[in-house]
Amino acid sequence: GAVVSQHPSRVICKSGTSVKIECRSLDFQATTMFWYRQFPKKSLMLMATSNEGSKATYEQGVEKDKFLINHASLTLSTLTVTSAHPEDSSFYICSASRARRASDYGYTFGSGTRLTVV
Amino acid sequence: AQSVTQLGSHVSVSEGALVLLRCNYSSSVPPYLFWYVQYPNQGLQLLLKYTSAATLVKGINGFEAEFKKSETSFHLTKPSAHMSDAAEYFCAVSEGGSQGNLIFGKGTKLSVKP
Repeated sequence: GAVVSQHPSRVICKSGTSVKIECRSLDFQATTMFWYRQFPKKSLMLMATSNEGSKATYEQGVEKDKFLINHASLTLSTLTVTSAHPEDSSFYICSASRARRASDYGYTFGSGTRLTVV
Repeated sequence: AQSVTQLGSHVSVSEGALVLLRCNYSSSVPPYLFWYVQYPNQGLQLLLKYTSAATLVKGINGFEAEFKKSETSFHLTKPSAHMSDAAEYFCAVSEGGSQGNLIFGKGTKLSVKP
């Protein structure tokens, strides 16, 4: 159980276009989803926390108008990179938090999306 | 603020040798601690987690980690490395609460020599 599907796994887009990445929890309800970005030779950086039915909370330094996050249902959150530029090329990963007791605490990660902007 | 330090960005061991990946954390509250593994071009997979129960935590693929509060450490070990263990390993700490965000270390790349 507890599967998170992230799509697409790879995408190449032209500079100036927008790209949407989907993160779905397949067999559980995810009240909270997290979006991370992984920089080369560095760790994951949290971009934003996505709560179902409310506006996402962005981390400092992350442009909310550039990285649009929508969490319209308990099983789907989307990240849209608007007007993408080569510097946005990165590996983006989502994770979902299951609504369980603290003793069952854990996250399930998607398989990631490799974005290349040319 | 919580933080995680992974000592050694790259660790190389021979097949069959002991694997030891170091992780130290700082936290003002009792932490939840995690080890994740990432294979090339894949997302993270949870290896094991510590959530204030037993201090020695056993995970998948023969890995285990011991929570030592006095040393603020959560080192990952495996008695005998396999070639398939070659990957990047991330230690993470929860900011707090059952829905707290994860703070990741910078990762340690494990290479296994035949």
